[in-house]
Amino acid sequence: AAGVIQSPRHLIKEKRETATLKCYPIPRHDTVYWYQQGPGQDPQFLISFYEKMQSDKGSIPDRFSAQQFSDYHSELNMSSLELGDSALYFCASSRGQGSYGYTFGSGTRLTVV
Amino acid sequence: GQQVMQIPQYQHVQEGEDFTTYCNSSTTLSNIQWYKQRPGGHPVFLIQLVKSGEVKKQKRLTFQFGEAKKNSSLHITATQTTDVGTYFCAGKAGTASKLTFGTGTRLQVTL
Repeated sequence: AAGVIQSPRHLIKEKRETATLKCYPIPRHDTVYWYQQGPGQDPQFLISFYEKMQSDKGSIPDRFSAQQFSDYHSELNMSSLELGDSALYFCASSRGQGSYGYTFGSGTRLTVV
Repeated sequence: GQQVMQIPQYQHVQEGEDFTTYCNSSTTLSNIQWYKQRPGGHPVFLIQLVKSGEVKKQKRLTFQFGEAKKNSSLHITATQTTDVGTYFCAGKAGTASKLTFGTGTRLQVTL
């Protein structure tokens, strides 16, 4: 069965650079979520999209933005990167706005140096 | 904002011993989900509980949702080394679509 695909798996950026993370949800899943997980931390909700419209917003910095495209893939854009942005970024998708659980991708490990 | 705490933060057991993690929310939840994250991996959905007082079992795992829908527990009977990982509860409040994850309990199992 198809899973949630995230790219790239690893990304190294310098401070003040920009990064774009991509997510391809499971076909026919109507909701996409982005989470940030620091080392030894729980996943922190950033933002979600339901049927390509932003549905909920969490602790996402103003330097970050996200969107969902007509083919349902989503991108998380991060600008003016800071050392503290180093983390695992997970994308998850679900149907019925999560009523049946989320399926997570393998994540993108972002390292800011 | 909504906070979801789990205890203990970490537990180390010998294979064959039982394990329980407790989850407490600052707000009433519409449902609660449990996820397992292996070291270096991503969270994997285990189960969802919706009804007050609900109990569900998956082989050696037993999940409970509290009567007030503010707490939950996961009990593993006779742990195995394959149970190693971090167990997160995650709750939804009201009609929000987002899940708020608990602080997680890291389980280590040794022979």
